Amino acid sequence: GESVGLHLPTLSVQEGDNSIINCAYSNSASDYFIWYKQESGKGPQFIIDIRSNMDKRQGQRVTVLLNKTVKHLSLQIAATQPGDSAVYFCAEIPQAGTALIFGKGTTLSVSS
Amino acid sequence: DTAVSQTPKYLVTQMGNDKSIKCEQNLGHDTMYWYKQDSKKFLKIMFSYNNKELIINETVPNRFSPKSPDKAHLNLHINSLELGDSAVYFCASSQAASRRAQYFGPGTRLLVL
Repeated sequence: GESVGLHLPTLSVQEGDNSIINCAYSNSASDYFIWYKQESGKGPQFIIDIRSNMDKRQGQRVTVLLNKTVKHLSLQIAATQPGDSAVYFCAEIPQAGTALIFGKGTTLSVSS
Repeated sequence: DTAVSQTPKYLVTQMGNDKSIKCEQNLGHDTMYWYKQDSKKFLKIMFSYNNKELIINETVPNRFSPKSPDKAHLNLHINSLELGDSAVYFCASSQAASRRAQYFGPGTRLLVL
């Protein structure tokens, strides 16, 4: 089976709230952990990544946290907007591989 | 300008037919990929090409044959289509050194009847 997975398949939040999307992984040897966003009818889009030797990385309104002790990855979205509604995938790059290994995805629904 | 384009967007066909999906990227990337997304949204790598050479071939039936005529194109040919091939197929591209940031096409929705 896949080595990257998600805790919850769906998450519903109100506009303006902060969202936290979680992911558990099992392959400790991966170099990078990545978050992708897939809007309805479109292909996945890179959001942010974090190298395995870091525990936090911030982008614009997004923060990725990596806890290697419990093999947990999370994506925090600040001030969630309706345009953030999408399916979010965590993914990893195995050290020796070249392709992304995706988790199952969390559907984020933002209501106004 | 479209970065990664795929044709067709929709493909409805009968079991047993042979079909092709085309992919082109204008980003100057050296690595291209094919992914399959099933009805539960699970995304799985099928093939990866670097500079026209196959570098990843996951456990995919040999009815699926990728072809890369040049670095900007990676086409997918499927023989003897089966019901279970129904899915969304995504082409993606990246630089080999930045494979974690892949650019995906809009997808081809294949329905086998």
